[in-house]
Parts: sequence; structure tokens; C-alpha cells
Amino acid sequence: DAGVIQSPRHEVTEMGQEVTLRCKPISGHNSLFWYRQTMMRGLELLIYFNNNVPIDDSGMPEDRFSAKMPNASFSTLKIQPSEPRDSAVYFCASSLGRGAYGYTFGSGTRLTVV
Amino acid sequence: GQQLNQSPQSMFIQEGEDVSMNCTSSSIFNTWLWYKQDPGEGPVLLIALYKAGELTSNGRLTAQFGITRKDSFLNISASIPSDVGIYFCAGQFGGSQGNLIFGKGTKLSVKP
Repeated sequence: DAGVIQSPRHEVTEMGQEVTLRCKPISGHNSLFWYRQTMMRGLELLIYFNNNVPIDDSGMPEDRFSAKMPNASFSTLKIQPSEPRDSAVYFCASSLGRGAYGYTFGSGTRLTVV
Repeated sequence: GQQLNQSPQSMFIQEGEDVSMNCTSSSIFNTWLWYKQDPGEGPVLLIALYKAGELTSNGRLTAQFGITRKDSFLNISASIPSDVGIYFCAGQFGGSQGNLIFGKGTKLSVKP
């Protein structure tokens, strides 16, 4: 199994631009999570999908952030417009069920907004 | 919301030393997990614990599910340089719709 695949690995963009992060979960996993990691705040859960349906998006910082899961094998996290304070590492993770057996994380996308 | 208190925040290790870290919660957890994150990578699951008092090993790593179900410990014996990284605890309880809650991590570095 290739694991959770995220792209791109690194993204540098100018303030105000739209940024789209992509994730392919492990085949057969029915839960998908988007996290943001910063030195100050650690790992923050942004949004959680179950069977492609958004269940909890209370962690999405503001309306500039949106996430979709059009099918079981693909999800996107979009930031529009991007701001320097969005700079962080964004992780996608997937699991079977709610995570009693743990989440499998991707390698992350390091986003820098200048 | 529910938080996990993970300590220490950071520590320095010398090769061969034993290392201990722990997580505590104000609520009872059903599951405790320990992850390690290497630089530039995502967290990787090390050990999963499902019963109070459970003690589980993975090589030089040993983790325990506290009897009160409100804490967990991770020990690394005879540390080696590749043990450096960030270690996260994570717990699951019913009140969060079953999602995992992560601690803020313990950063392990090599003693200069």
C-alpha cells in the first residue's frame, strides 16, 4: 500500500493567491482528516470526513478555508485568498472507522505564503 | 474542548540513556496511541493501547495505559540517535465523536 499521498510536498505562494492541497487516502479507509501543524499550536484538526461527507468542520479557521471530498479516493483543502499566517504544514490522515486503530498520516504539504 | 497534557515539551538525550514521557487527561479515555514524527514527515503510529493497565512493547519502546484511564506513559530504553523526533500521544473517548485528540508533542533532541 502506498499510504496516504499528499501533493504538493512544498508550496510557496504570494499573499492573496488561491492554494489547493490534495490528498489520496488509503484505499478502504472511510474517514479522512485534515490537520494543520505549527510550532505554536501543534496539530490542529481542521475538518473530518466520514464516507465522503463532512462531519465536523469546526476547526476550519475561517471562510477562506474550504474542503471537499468528491469521492472515496480524493480530497482537497483550498485556501482562498491565502495569507502569511496560513503558513504551516498541512497533513491529511485517513483511518478505518473513527480511529481506534490509529490514523495513517501523509507526509504533509509545507505551505509558505509570502 | 478536551486537551491532553503531554510532558516534557522537550528533552535532550545522550546515546544509551533511557527516556520517559507521559500524557494526562481530565477525562477517561478508551484508547491511547503513541506516534513519532521524523523531520519533514507525518506522524507514524508506534504503539496502540486499548485496556487499562495494558503494557505493550515495540522493540526498545514500551507504553502503558494508566490504571485510571486518564494517563499513558512511553519509555524508550537505550536511546540511539535515530530516536530524535517529536513523539505525540493521542487518545480517544466517546465525547469527541470518537475522533483522536492529540497532545502537543515531546521533542527529543541529541544532547550537544
